[in-house]
This record gives sequence, C-alpha cells and structure tokens, in this order.
Amino acid sequence: AQSVTQPDIHITVSEGASLELRCNYSYGATPYLFWYVQSPGQGLQLLLKYFSGDTLVQGIKGFEAEFKRSQSSFNLRKPSVHWSDAAEYFCAVGLTTSGTYKYIFGTGTRLKVLA
Amino acid sequence: KAGVTQTPRYLIKTRGQQVTLSCSPISGHRSVSWYQQTPGQGLQFLFEYFSETQRNKGNFPGRFSGRQFSNSRSEMNVSTLELGDSALYLCASSYNRRTSTDTQYFGPGTRLTVL
Repeated sequence: AQSVTQPDIHITVSEGASLELRCNYSYGATPYLFWYVQSPGQGLQLLLKYFSGDTLVQGIKGFEAEFKRSQSSFNLRKPSVHWSDAAEYFCAVGLTTSGTYKYIFGTGTRLKVLA
Repeated sequence: KAGVTQTPRYLIKTRGQQVTLSCSPISGHRSVSWYQQTPGQGLQFLFEYFSETQRNKGNFPGRFSGRQFSNSRSEMNVSTLELGDSALYLCASSYNRRTSTDTQYFGPGTRLTVL
C-alpha cells in the first residue's frame, strides 16, 4: 500500500542551526512530492514541490528539498533556522492509483526552535 | 489572486446538531477537496468535488456530505454531530486534480468544536 512516513514526530533545534526533516514514501513509481507548513490554528502553506527534473528543489522561506529515488526520500532542509520557522511540517505525495489521483500526507513533524 | 477562503473560522455546536461549512476556491480552480485534521488521526481525506460532481471519497460515514456549486464554491455538511467530529476542517483547491502535476492550495480551516 502507498504510504508516507515522517519518522520524527518532534524536532527541536536552536535558532541559526541547520535543519533536516525526513520524509520517505512507499510507491511503485515516482510520485509527485510536496512539503507543506502549518502554523498553529492555520491552514497548510505550500513550501515546495517536485514533479520531475532537477532533484534539488528550492522553495519559499529559504527551504529546499532533495529527491533521492534510491532511498524513496524527499527530505526538507534549511541551512539556518529562524524562530518563525516553528510550526508543523507535512510531507505529501500525489499519486495515481486505480485511475484516481490522490494526495497522501505524512503524519507531520512538529518543529520547535530554541532562542 | 485571492487564496482559498473558508467560513466560518470557528464553530461550536452540540451533539446531535448539524453543521455546514463553506469553502471558496482560488479563482479559476475547479477542484475542491475537504480534509479533517485531528491530533490523533492527522490529515484525513473526506471528499473531492470537480465541476459540481463528487469525484473521490474517503472513508467517512454518510453523515459527512458535500456539494459544489457552478461557481466552484463548495460546502460540506455534517449531520448528527458527535464529539469525535471536533476537528479542524481544511479545504483545498486546485485547477484540475485529475492531472498528476496538480497542486493543492489550502484554506485556513474551520475549527469545529462539538460539546
């Protein structure tokens, strides 16, 4: 069955430190990959997406993600975290199954930033 | 271009009542999807509408229903509310969710509390 795994439920980093959030997927083909961020009480904001081409994708707010086919991963990175990055981050895949296109979301990683 | 809007933002109901939530998609978007987000279950897909027709449906009881109007605005209805229906209900719109490269954009959500 198709699935998305975000193995880290919580991550705490200090402001200015680098960040990597992990995302692994299970799917027979290459899905379309997304990262969203959700601030408390808010909806999801699209950070970046990967459909094809260059496997390193740049997004908003200084985030980037790298698609690694061999590892079925799409990890999100940021070189220097700001306090305003504290939020919950969701990885999602878009895939076609039985002729239907659908999104599958990971369970999210909650990021805490220490001053 | 205005984003996805959802009304109301907050709602308090009692068990047994029914509720209607509204979603206005981004101009030009024809697909509207609804999700339920709870701390225990994460993001769960409810249903998707495209051109006034329900195209996909998640695993929710029949108490959850929706519809889409000719201007692509969508409503979801929950009848006979239960305590477990307390959640953040998110609406997402996209141009045409049938294509694999489609991207969903989310609204701020409606926070429903059932007492």
